[in-house]
Amino acid sequence: GAVVSQHPSRVICKSGTSVKIECRSLDFQATTMFWYRQFPKQSLMLMATSNEGSKATYEQGVEKDKFLINHASLTLSTLTVTSAHPEDSSFYICSVLTSGNNEQFFGPGTRLTVL
Amino acid sequence: AQKVTQAQTEISVVEKEDVTLDCVYETRDTTYYLFWYKQPPSGELVFLIRRNSFDEQNEISGRYSWNFQKSTSSFNFTITASQVVDSAVYFCALIPRYTGANSKLTFGKGITLSVRP
Repeated sequence: GAVVSQHPSRVICKSGTSVKIECRSLDFQATTMFWYRQFPKQSLMLMATSNEGSKATYEQGVEKDKFLINHASLTLSTLTVTSAHPEDSSFYICSVLTSGNNEQFFGPGTRLTVL
Repeated sequence: AQKVTQAQTEISVVEKEDVTLDCVYETRDTTYYLFWYKQPPSGELVFLIRRNSFDEQNEISGRYSWNFQKSTSSFNFTITASQVVDSAVYFCALIPRYTGANSKLTFGKGITLSVRP
């Protein structure tokens, strides 16, 4: 399967600042990556589908201007949380879609805390 | 639309007990994949198994076994002789087999398993 990394693993920021989270596919060229958000004691919720070289597709209720996604290469997708607020504090997980069998491999996640 | 139901929210067992985690799903797709993931306290999702909808063979991997019953739309997971390291949140998930704009991984709400020594 694909090996996926995320950076940073943890970030604490002040309210109003922007935070960039990187998702890298280390051994697979991924045309499609996904971004999920997980609040404490809840399930993973899909935020958006990131497609290399094109605009991301956002799920209903997810603000595209607040959660900027850039998938500039086959190995890197970034999620920028703009003007972060305490309610954006969450666990953000990316995944890589491998072709053929619709399997996703997940990164280790990034825990964002907004003070 | 797809739906994955994990009716059990929290399960607590004593070490060495067997435990079964239930998963029931709904989908209109005729072919699909089912998954189980483990999420330990560290947060990383650990892939446990993928099952094709056309393959109803049960699977055993060490202390883990899975029972796929298409007739009842269930994909249950049993841990035999549980250990403290099995303590985690377990997610069942489903995705259509085809790739496309609506091909999304749908997760259940997860089951928190606590194994006490």
